[in-house]
Amino acid sequence: QQQVRQSPQSLTVWEGETAILNCSYEDSTFNYFPWYQQFPGEGPALLISIRSVSDKKEDGRFTIFFNKREKKLSLHITDSQPGDSATYFCAARAGGYKVVFGSGTRLLVSP
Amino acid sequence: NSKVIQTPRYLVKGQGQKAKMRCIPEKGHPVVFWYQQNKNNEFKFLINFQNQEVLQQIDMTEKRFSAECPSNSPCSLEIQSSEAGDSALYLCASSRDNYAEQFFGPGTRLTVL
Repeated sequence: QQQVRQSPQSLTVWEGETAILNCSYEDSTFNYFPWYQQFPGEGPALLISIRSVSDKKEDGRFTIFFNKREKKLSLHITDSQPGDSATYFCAARAGGYKVVFGSGTRLLVSP
Repeated sequence: NSKVIQTPRYLVKGQGQKAKMRCIPEKGHPVVFWYQQNKNNEFKFLINFQNQEVLQQIDMTEKRFSAECPSNSPCSLEIQSSEAGDSALYLCASSRDNYAEQFFGPGTRLTVL
């Protein structure tokens, strides 16, 4: 049973466009949602996170939109750059301890 | 940038052999997590510690996997008898507390032949 789902599996955008990565979850007790960026051969790096009391979190070109009622969130990457090409993981946690990860969206930004 | 250190970066073992990997958490992070990331990008939580004490672990860990976080030494994850299905990227993450962000190391890529 997949608790965190991501779509699309892969996404290609042109440089300068906005990439939209989607995530949904099952467990209504999840209250913390980090997004991680992973390049080949590296570990995941925390990119941006949001807590369920907020509906939006912005950090530079990265914005999370969160809809608690629908149990959905999305990561928007504006002005996409070739260096943003990576796999992005949506994750979720209820309270403390372990984080549950989605299966990732592979983003390719073409120059 | 994460300051979690994992060694070795690559590990190759034959089936039935022991495989041991180490992790040094970020300074000031008493909580350590181990995750397994398979080739399909699926993450599986294995175990976590606060200081030297186990907080949570999955059943798989209790059988062939063992882990510890001794004081003043790196944390370690050891697979007693490696199986082909254990081939994966093993990720260590550390955190200030159970509710804070988790920061990951670069991982140890285990290949079991």
